[in-house]
Amino acid sequence: DTAVSQTPKYLVTQMGNDKSIKCEQNLGHDTMYWYKQDSKKFLKIMFSYNNKELIINETVPNRFSPKSPDKAHLNLHINSLELGDSAVYFCASSQGRSVSGNEQFFGPGTRLTVL
Amino acid sequence: SQKIEQNSEALNIQEGKTATLTCNYTNYSPAYLQWYRQDPGRGPVFLLLIRENEKEKRKERLKVTFDTTLKQSLFHITASQPADSATYLCGTGFQKLVFGTGTRLLVSP
Repeated sequence: DTAVSQTPKYLVTQMGNDKSIKCEQNLGHDTMYWYKQDSKKFLKIMFSYNNKELIINETVPNRFSPKSPDKAHLNLHINSLELGDSAVYFCASSQGRSVSGNEQFFGPGTRLTVL
Repeated sequence: SQKIEQNSEALNIQEGKTATLTCNYTNYSPAYLQWYRQDPGRGPVFLLLIRENEKEKRKERLKVTFDTTLKQSLFHITASQPADSATYLCGTGFQKLVFGTGTRLLVSP
């Protein structure tokens, strides 16, 4: 059973388009995250939700909008895609927040390529 | 703001040797440090957590140390195997987990 799943695995699109990435976790965790890993492999947090409430919102363009319909799902919608948005996006989940040092479970990633 | 630094150069070692990876932090006194493994094309996988009041943590062939005076954590893999080849990330944080850039380990037979 996949613990944290993301769809799609690959996403190739044109500049200016709007796209969404979906994430689901079946671990019963209460906290979910979105990370961006750039071409230099630097992994940086974008958003975090705890019990469907946004608790971390890093300095991310407002073209990026997360949505958590329930505790098991966290989707990422990106408007007006730009070349610089090309990266691998990882979803993760944990039981409890980062402050507690709880281990995070990562999804397989979505490789977004903007042409 | 908190800064996590890992050696960006790849570490090449021979099978059977002990690999030692370094994680340094500045502008911060972390309550914990986490270590993750990332294989190409995959998400990071949690390996070990060490808290500030712990000097050392072990799990099978893995050992992590935490030196709050040196502001450093060392990650050791003993009796390394080619299957240990991957990128290893350290991370810490308060409200959010901040990762280092990772160190790529290559274990040759």
